[in-house]
Amino acid sequence: GAGVSQTPSNKVTEKGKYVELRCDPISGHTALYWYRQSLGQGPEFLIYFQGTGAADDSGLPNDRFFAVRPEGSVSTLKIQRTERGDSAVYLCASSALGPPGELFFGEGSRLTVL
Amino acid sequence: AQSVSQHNHHVILSEAASLELGCNYSYGGTVNLFWYVQYPGQHLQLLLKYFSGDPLVKGIKGFEAEFIKSKFSFNLRKPSVQWSDTAEYFCALHFGNEKLTFGTGTRLTIIP
Repeated sequence: GAGVSQTPSNKVTEKGKYVELRCDPISGHTALYWYRQSLGQGPEFLIYFQGTGAADDSGLPNDRFFAVRPEGSVSTLKIQRTERGDSAVYLCASSALGPPGELFFGEGSRLTVL
Repeated sequence: AQSVSQHNHHVILSEAASLELGCNYSYGGTVNLFWYVQYPGQHLQLLLKYFSGDPLVKGIKGFEAEFIKSKFSFNLRKPSVQWSDTAEYFCALHFGNEKLTFGTGTRLTIIP
C-alpha cells in the first residue's frame, strides 16, 4: 500500500476487556515495529519483528501484551484484561531493512480504557 | 541504558525567527541520530538523520542538525521558521541492533 495502515483509528473499551489492534505495513517491508505513545511523551518501544519472528520484544510491559505477524506482513497487537493505564496511542512503523533504517509510521490507534 | 533528552517542552516563535531545538543523548559508543516531525493530525515522519561523515546534516524543509560528539548533542536548527513548521519534533537515537529510542518531544508553535 501507499503507507502504513492501522485499524481501528480509535477504540474505546472497558477495563478488563480484550483488544486487538491491527497494522498493515508498507508492501515489501520486512521490519515492523510497535510503539506506544502516552500524552506528553515520546513513542515508547514495544516490539520489533523481522519477518515473522519477534526479534526484540523487550518493550512489552507485561504478559497481558502480545503481538503476532504470522505471514510476515500484517501484525496484530493483542492486549488482554485491559487496564486504564493502557490508554495511549499505539503506533506501528515499518522499514525496508532492520535497524537503523528509516521508520515509516502509521497514524496510530488511539486506545481509551474506561 | 541509552536515553535521549529534549529539554524544551514547548517553544513559541514568531514567523521568520531562527530556531534551535536541543537534543542530548547518553551513550558512549557509535550512534545513529534522527529527528522526526509530527504535523497536526498527521503521522510521524523523518526530518533528517545522521549515521556518519559530515556532522552537519541537512534535511527536508530547510532544517539541519549538527552532531557534536564531545557534547553528546544533536540540535535541530532552522534559520527562518514558517507558520507551517508548527508541529511536534522528536529526537531519536539508535545504536547497534537496538531499537530506536525517542525523546519526549518538543512542541513548536509558530505565531504568524
